[in-house]
Amino acid sequence: SQTIHQWPATLVQPVGSPLSLECTVEGTSNPNLYWYRQAAGRGLQLLFYSVGIGQISSEVPQNLSASRPQDRQFILSSKKLLLSDSGFYLCAWSLRYGYTFGSGTRLTVV
Amino acid sequence: GQQVMQIPQYQHVQEGEDFTTYCNSSTTLSNIQWYKQRPGGHPVFLIQLVKSGEVKKQKRLTFQFGEAKKNSSLHITATQTTDVGTYFCALSSSNDYKLSFGAGTTVTVRA
Repeated sequence: SQTIHQWPATLVQPVGSPLSLECTVEGTSNPNLYWYRQAAGRGLQLLFYSVGIGQISSEVPQNLSASRPQDRQFILSSKKLLLSDSGFYLCAWSLRYGYTFGSGTRLTVV
Repeated sequence: GQQVMQIPQYQHVQEGEDFTTYCNSSTTLSNIQWYKQRPGGHPVFLIQLVKSGEVKKQKRLTFQFGEAKKNSSLHITATQTTDVGTYFCALSSSNDYKLSFGAGTTVTVRA
C-alpha cells in the first residue's frame, strides 16, 4: 500500500534561518507531488507541484523553493525564513485522482 | 486559475440535525473532489464527482454535482460529533494536475 511520510511534525525557527522540509512516498512510482500551505483557520494554497524528477512548477512567488531529487522525494526549502512563512505545510501525492496528504509540518517562525 | 466559492464558512449544528455545505463556481468544472480535515489533522480525500447531476452516498454523507457542473453540495444527515472538522471542495481543470481548494466549511457540533 502507498504511504506518505512528512517530517518534522512541528518546527520553530528564527527569522532568517534556513528551512528544509522533506516528504517521501512509498508504494508507488512516478507520482505527482505537491506542497501546500495552510494558514491558521484558512484554506490550502498550492505552492509547488512536480510531475517528475527535477520538474518543479511554482504557483506563487515567494521565499520558498522546491526540489525533487528522486522519484518519491519532494523537498521544500528556504534560504532565509520570514515571519510570514509560518503555517501548516502539507505534502501530497496523486496518480489519477484524489490527493493523499502527509500529516503536515507546523512551522512557526519567531 | 479556476476559483470556487464555498458556503457557509462556519456551520454550527445540533447533534442529530442535518446540514448542507455548498461549493459554487462561475465556470464549468470537469470534476470536483471533497475532503475532510479533522481539527489538528490533514485533509483526507472523501470522493470525486465527474458526471453532470451525479449523486454519491457514503453512509450519512450525500454528495451531488450540479446538472451544469458548476456547483456541488455535501449533505450530512443526523450529524454526529465525529463529523466535526472542515470540509473542503477542490477542483481541477481537465488538463492539469493541480487542485484548487475552496476556503472550506468548518463544522462544530453541539451535543
